[in-house]
Amino acid sequence: ELKVEQNPLFLSMQEGKNYTIYCNYSTTSDRLYWYRQDPGKSLESLFVLLSNGAVKQEGRLMASLDTKARLSTLHITAAVHDLSATYFCAVGMDSNYQLIWGAGTKLIIKP
Amino acid sequence: DADVTQTPRNRITKTGKRIMLECSQTKGHDRMYWYRQDPGLGLQLIYYSFDVKDINKGEISDGYSVSRQAQAKFSLSLESAIPNQTALYFCATSDGGREQYFGPGTRLTVT
Repeated sequence: ELKVEQNPLFLSMQEGKNYTIYCNYSTTSDRLYWYRQDPGKSLESLFVLLSNGAVKQEGRLMASLDTKARLSTLHITAAVHDLSATYFCAVGMDSNYQLIWGAGTKLIIKP
Repeated sequence: DADVTQTPRNRITKTGKRIMLECSQTKGHDRMYWYRQDPGLGLQLIYYSFDVKDINKGEISDGYSVSRQAQAKFSLSLESAIPNQTALYFCATSDGGREQYFGPGTRLTVT
């Protein structure tokens, strides 16, 4: 059974600081997704990582995937208040194209 | 116009009532999904459908049923609602099993 663990589950940080959110998963997969959710809103796709060593960057966010370690990271550089949200990782199951979701990391960035 | 729409957006119902949540998409995707989100948790898959004649149970299908009326429409029914089905419900679509696109969500309260 594929399990996905995110940590931390809650993160409060100051603007201008750097931090990393971790996503570990328990079985082989080469598809990993990062989503953002604002309070009471839908989920917005941020990154799709489809191969070992994949790295993608958008603004102050950078995501990477290490399939051998079964680990993805979402790195935040020089955080700004607008990045406050809950971030989810999801891992693809090859057998049936389902996504298995982490519990989410609630990120609060204080001015 | 939104690519994935859900109706209603909010619904309060009483225990024992039957309720239907509807999802429509204009993305032309074959795959559609229903998820449930509880506060502070990730997403749990209820049902998914790869085409009109292919419907599959997810992690938490008990107490729910679905209907895929057309490629663009996928409905979720609660046959006899109970309070622990109070949650945020999301419909999603995908093309080729890759990233999923989410509707705005339906907030359901069962009293």
